Amino acid sequence: GAVVSQHPSRVICKSGTSVKIECRSLDFQATTMFWYRQFPKQSLMLMATSNEGSKATYEQGVEKDKFLINHASLTLSTLTVTSAHPEDSSFYICSEGGTDTQYFGPGTRLTVL
Amino acid sequence: AQSVTQLGSHVSVSEGALVLLRCNYSSSVPPYLFWYVQYPNQGLQLLLKYTTGATLVKGINGFEAEFKKSETSFHLTKPSAHMSDAAEYFCAVTVFSGGYNKLIFGAGTRLAVHP
Repeated sequence: GAVVSQHPSRVICKSGTSVKIECRSLDFQATTMFWYRQFPKQSLMLMATSNEGSKATYEQGVEKDKFLINHASLTLSTLTVTSAHPEDSSFYICSEGGTDTQYFGPGTRLTVL
Repeated sequence: AQSVTQLGSHVSVSEGALVLLRCNYSSSVPPYLFWYVQYPNQGLQLLLKYTTGATLVKGINGFEAEFKKSETSFHLTKPSAHMSDAAEYFCAVTVFSGGYNKLIFGAGTRLAVHP
């Protein structure tokens, strides 16, 4: 399957700062990538669908101005959590979704103090 | 609307015992079904998937699952548990929405394997 990387793996930031998370498809040109959020001991919740060269589409209840997604190339999508607050602390996971199967990155643990 | 129900948030088995993780789905169209495994602080790894064809699907690490349309189930099994199987397991179904094949996940089942 496709290989997906994420950077950073862990990040700790102060409340009010912005954090950028990168998701790279290493061996596949991914027109579509998905961003998920996973709270402790919970399942994955889809946040948005990232499309190369166009605007992302967000799931209901997800603030697009807070979670900025950019998919500038076929191998890179970024998620920026703007003005992060402690309630944004979570595990963020991306996946490559160009086929009938999604392959996931290793995730990024965000902790907002 | 598509949904996934995983019965049992925690399952504990002895090493060498049968593993059975239950998954039921609802879907208005023929589903694509998946099982993923997640180790602590890691992403999801695909165990196996059903799209079309043979209803008994074999995956990695000795796992298999059977698609039973009449029961709307896709239970995951492994004949003999190993300590390394301890992890969180997620069942998922594909839903076509907004022009994309999106995944709807079950709540997950934490598998514990004890000596």
